[in-house]
Amino acid sequence: GAVVSQHPSRVICKSGTSVKIECRSLDFQATTMFWYRQFPKQSLMLMATSNEGSKATYEQGVEKDKFLINHASLTLSTLTVTSAHPEDSSFYICSARDPGGGRTDTQYFGPGTRLTVL
Amino acid sequence: GQQLNQSPQSMFIQEGEDVSMNCTSSSIFNTWLWYKQDPGEGPVLLIALYKAGELTSNGRLTAQFGITRKDSFLNISASIPSDVGIYFCAGRETSGSRLTFGEGTQLTVNP
Repeated sequence: GAVVSQHPSRVICKSGTSVKIECRSLDFQATTMFWYRQFPKQSLMLMATSNEGSKATYEQGVEKDKFLINHASLTLSTLTVTSAHPEDSSFYICSARDPGGGRTDTQYFGPGTRLTVL
Repeated sequence: GQQLNQSPQSMFIQEGEDVSMNCTSSSIFNTWLWYKQDPGEGPVLLIALYKAGELTSNGRLTAQFGITRKDSFLNISASIPSDVGIYFCAGRETSGSRLTFGEGTQLTVNP
């Protein structure tokens, strides 16, 4: 299957600093990427939809100034958690949409980034 | 909004047993996807379904897209310890739209 990478896999930072997470589609072009947040023992919560060359669409309750998303190329989207606080500690996962010619529209996930804010 | 109910929430089985889990939706979907997530990892796609009635296998895994387009099931035959993990169903109403996820089924396989 298609491969999506995410970097870093784990990050620990001090409160008040900003953290950037990268998501790359390695073997296909992704016009759309998605950013999720997952709390322990829970399902994935969609934060925002990232479209190449345009502004991201944020889900209700997600602060766009807090979670900055940039999708500058067809293979790279970045999520920046600005002025991180301990409550931002979580598992962040990206996914990339592979249109597959329309009928086989599929999403592939990255391995996730564990963010711990001290 | 969309609601997607996945059951069971958890299963404890013996190695070698078969497993079945399902998802039902309040909306009609045109795509069903099944993922497995190991601890500390991202979900891995197991099976993708794109047509009502479609039955697709991937090794010991079999999934079906319900005729009503509001449900899907995943079966695992002859379970092994490495099948342990959380299984998520996900559905999409229209091409390109976002996925709606089930709450997951935690599978434990006892050797």
